[in-house]
Amino acid sequence: ETGVTQSPTHLIKTRGQQVTLRCSSQSGHNTVSWYQQALGQGPQFIFQYYREEENGRGNFPPRFSGLQFPNYSSELNVNALELDDSALYLCASSPDSTNEKLFFGSGTQLSVL
Amino acid sequence: RKEVEQDPGPFNVPEGATVAFNCTYSNSASQSFFWYRQDCRKEPKLLMSVYSSGNEDGRFTAQLNRASQYISLLIRDSKLSDSATYLCVVNGDWDTGRRALTFGSGTRLQVQP
Repeated sequence: ETGVTQSPTHLIKTRGQQVTLRCSSQSGHNTVSWYQQALGQGPQFIFQYYREEENGRGNFPPRFSGLQFPNYSSELNVNALELDDSALYLCASSPDSTNEKLFFGSGTQLSVL
Repeated sequence: RKEVEQDPGPFNVPEGATVAFNCTYSNSASQSFFWYRQDCRKEPKLLMSVYSSGNEDGRFTAQLNRASQYISLLIRDSKLSDSATYLCVVNGDWDTGRRALTFGSGTRLQVQP
């Protein structure tokens, strides 16, 4: 086990709704990244938080937003859900922002109907 | 052109076979390279880092050719438990501030008894 926990494990939403996914990073890790993995694809980088500040973002629209808390846990928020947002959302924690060692949680499977 | 390209497979091989996966990347300024393993419906896990000098971990050997922007993974004496998707991963270009891992779409391996 990586020590990275995500909740919920599965979620079903309808188009237009909003969703919040949560992640608890491994003890001692100050960096959290979020990835979206569509079926049959590799994970795609959404954004990264280092010590509560966003310090990198992939090609995702502003309706994808996040937070990192003082205990380094994190949230991913997605507004105005679209059908194409259906995917596995993976959180990964790292002891620093270099991403040389990345530990993934087991993910949240989001289905948008 | 995708930043990281892999043959999607599947590669169907008998137990005991040797199998090789290849990967190319487009960003010549990439600094770090990895192979991750992902089992069906599970999170990716780091298999090994890849160094210019080549590195070996038991039955697994990884090679990096910076001039050709090419990464390989060799698995010897395949086991049934090696069946998984293997993701080629490249770390971002530090000069532009990108600090994220870019994943290929993965190569699926199925080892047959």
